[in-house]
Amino acid sequence: GENVEQHPSTLSVQEGDSAVIKCTYSDSASNYFPWYKQELGKGPQLIIDIRSNVGEKKDQRIAVTLNKTAKHFSLHITETQPEDSAVYFCAASMTGGGNKLTFGTGTQLKVEL
Amino acid sequence: ETGVTQSPTHLIKTRGQQVTLRCSSQSGHNTVSWYQQALGQGPQFIFQYYREEENGRGNFPPRFSGLQFPNYSSELNVNALELDDSALYLCASSFLGAEGYTFGSGTRLTVV
Repeated sequence: GENVEQHPSTLSVQEGDSAVIKCTYSDSASNYFPWYKQELGKGPQLIIDIRSNVGEKKDQRIAVTLNKTAKHFSLHITETQPEDSAVYFCAASMTGGGNKLTFGTGTQLKVEL
Repeated sequence: ETGVTQSPTHLIKTRGQQVTLRCSSQSGHNTVSWYQQALGQGPQFIFQYYREEENGRGNFPPRFSGLQFPNYSSELNVNALELDDSALYLCASSFLGAEGYTFGSGTRLTVV
């Protein structure tokens, strides 16, 4: 089955700096890659996603890149703010929404003032 | 538009007991999935329901079972609870074929 690895497990940045989280996946059949943000006491919230036919997608301060050949994808957050502090999860699935998501182990992002 | 609601928010059970967790899907969604999230880990897929039938299952034993009702609400049942079942149980709804889930805030189950 699919296996998703995520690094780093913890990331501390200064406010205004950029943060990058990287994930690799094992199953070349995976074609949908969402990123979730989970705040304390809440469920994961979808922040951005990308399909395998696209190399990069951007939404304001958040961007995701995908390298299908290397089977890795990354989340980039620019101009970080304290409210960006949370746990971030990458995930992979074979088709979009409604199917089994395989999650990474999460990255605890702390944005310091 | 209402989100995904789960109940109860917290629960403590004794090893060997049975538990039922409940979920109300987001309006308009017809698929519900359940995930188990152990402390410090990513969510693990338990199973998915569509049209009141199981539509995919992860690597969980048969003592984990579920139901989906005509109004798309759902239950997760766990029999013969074990200490390792202690986790956050997340319900997620979606529209079959669409992208992205909407997750609830979860039920924190502690087995003692």
